[in-house]
Amino acid sequence: GQQVMQIPQYQHVQEGEDFTTYCNSSTTLSNIQWYKQRPGGHPVFLIQLVKSGEVKKQKRLTFQFGEAKKNSSLHITATQTTDVGTYFCAATDSWGKLQFGAGTQVVVTP
Amino acid sequence: EAGVVQSPRYKIIEKKQPVAFWCNPISGHNTLYWYRQNLGQGPELLIRYENEEAVDDSQLPKDRFSAERLKGVDSTLKIQPAELGDSAVYLCASSSSAGQGIYEQFFGPGTRLTVL
Repeated sequence: GQQVMQIPQYQHVQEGEDFTTYCNSSTTLSNIQWYKQRPGGHPVFLIQLVKSGEVKKQKRLTFQFGEAKKNSSLHITATQTTDVGTYFCAATDSWGKLQFGAGTQVVVTP
Repeated sequence: EAGVVQSPRYKIIEKKQPVAFWCNPISGHNTLYWYRQNLGQGPELLIRYENEEAVDDSQLPKDRFSAERLKGVDSTLKIQPAELGDSAVYLCASSSSAGQGIYEQFFGPGTRLTVL
């Protein structure tokens, strides 16, 4: 069955630095979504990527979908303390099967 | 607009007892999801409904878990009997297929279940 892997599991970042988190699937995806979950909160939708090679930006966040539609990345520029939380990818395969990754927990040091 | 409503927010029960969770999705959302989230892990899909039809329940442990969405609106997830390993946060989410192919899921606050 479909396997969705996220790396790294943890990311400690100095405020102002950039970082990237990756999501990899064992199967070709129909689409991929990214969510952010603050400590004690519930997942909140950030973006959905559908097209091969698609790149979308939201202020300091850049999302990319791989050419083969098997991987995705989230790049955050100039990290702020408000970026603290866990970032999940949610992958949907061609059969409509939805699976969340285990998430990347981000800690920001002022 | 009201978000996804879940109740109760917290539940503590002893093992072998039954428990039920309720979810009211955002008005007009035809797709409803139940997830289980263990500490430090991503949400695990238990069941997905399109209106009143369960279209993906492959991850639902059917020996003890059941769910229903009789009128295609609110939904109930039940565990009977509960086991220690069922302790987790149970999340409900809903989405609409009317958004030009963007299936943004709106999550409720979840029910934190503790089985003693």
